Amino acid sequence: EAAVTQSPRNKVAVTGGKVTLSCNQTNNHNNMYWYRQDTGHGLRLIHYSYGAGSTEKGDIPDGYKASRPSQENFSLILELATPSQTSVYFCASGAAGGDTEVFFGKGTRLTVV
Amino acid sequence: SQLAEENLWALSVHEGESVTVNCSYKTSITALQWYRQKSGEGPAQLILIRSNEREKRNGRLRATLDTSSQSSSLSITATRCEDTAVYFCATDQGGRALIFGTGTTVSVSP
Repeated sequence: EAAVTQSPRNKVAVTGGKVTLSCNQTNNHNNMYWYRQDTGHGLRLIHYSYGAGSTEKGDIPDGYKASRPSQENFSLILELATPSQTSVYFCASGAAGGDTEVFFGKGTRLTVV
Repeated sequence: SQLAEENLWALSVHEGESVTVNCSYKTSITALQWYRQKSGEGPAQLILIRSNEREKRNGRLRATLDTSSQSSSLSITATRCEDTAVYFCATDQGGRALIFGTGTTVSVSP
């Protein structure tokens, strides 16, 4: 069973503070993704990675950085959190190729106050 | 802009009825995927249909793909209360990454 683990599951952050969302996968997948989910917008792609050391910008990268230090770990970093970044964030992993199944974590609910 | 979009925000049916969710997309694709997301969970794949396929089945689920009109549908027969969820279609951007639509909420009542 493919496993993607996100931490923390819930986070309250202060405006202007730094937030790091972590993701670990045990699937040995090359590709990893960060999405955010907001009502009316579905899942929007923030950053993704093809493997350790690589990060690529998705459709809404502004205000976010990503880091892929290893095959297993992919982090999303908000250097200066803003209330507009309040959302549910999902990490996912998948084998190489856009036509393969993607496995999601349970999500992180981030509230920026 | 969305590269994949479901055509309706929400659908409601009674148990045992059938329901169809439609999706349109804007680019050429290698495959289209359907995902289901239940409350409090991450999305999970239901069906992957490749661009050279016209129909794919998985139990009570049937997906169709029409590349000429750039559209797809997901039908669920004999619905159950546990089918209540948000259904997304998703497409690859020429193999770059999986892009999701905004989702259709399907509610199945007893």
